[in-house]
Amino acid sequence: SSELTQDPAVSVALGQTVRVTCQGDSLRSYYASWYQQKPGQAPVLVIYGKNNRPSGIPDRFSGSSSGNTTSLTITGAQAEDEADYYCNSRDSSGNHYVFGTGTKVTVL
Amino acid sequence: QVQLQELGPGLVKPSQTLSLTCTVSGGSISSGSYYWSWIRQPAGKGLEWIGRIYISGTTNYNPSLKSRVTISVDTSKNQFSLKLSSVTAADTAVFYCAREAALSDANWFDPWGQGTLVTVSS
Repeated sequence: SSELTQDPAVSVALGQTVRVTCQGDSLRSYYASWYQQKPGQAPVLVIYGKNNRPSGIPDRFSGSSSGNTTSLTITGAQAEDEADYYCNSRDSSGNHYVFGTGTKVTVL
Repeated sequence: QVQLQELGPGLVKPSQTLSLTCTVSGGSISSGSYYWSWIRQPAGKGLEWIGRIYISGTTNYNPSLKSRVTISVDTSKNQFSLKLSSVTAADTAVFYCAREAALSDANWFDPWGQGTLVTVSS
């Protein structure tokens, strides 16, 4: 079982804000990275480190963390943001990596 | 811009060894402080980190797969490879290679290859 837990699914109205959360003990010590995956495509990095966006990722994507929880926030969700989102960080040993269970974001 | 491409057989028989290669283009696999990683995803399921290698040859593997996994690097060909032994149907998945940047308190995978489906079946 994954050491990073995510809600299986969330929905958001077009143009509204949605927060996707990821919980795990290792997140108290390590930042998570976030990946967007659309059907049939490879994952794409959207947030890394404290709150960094790779080039080309819209600024409506942001990250934050508190205690054992890290969050990905989409402010003003667009239809193209509908996808699966995965967090990733180290495991509790700190020596290996683990992905979260994934969250399906539906834009209504 | 760096791009990654996975290559290998799409079908492997049970108990045999799965072998995949990731070719890096647009940059040298030896440049920069990056790790080179393998990740897999069974159909309809989540992502699973398999392991990684640094150009020095240092490796880290998922504890659940460690006894069956070998990752190697060939800097002369700008490639790194995955071998997974004693495969079963449970190893059927899309396999991705990715470049990993790692700091003391953060890591991230970017870019990723397009992925290659490997089916384990007789």
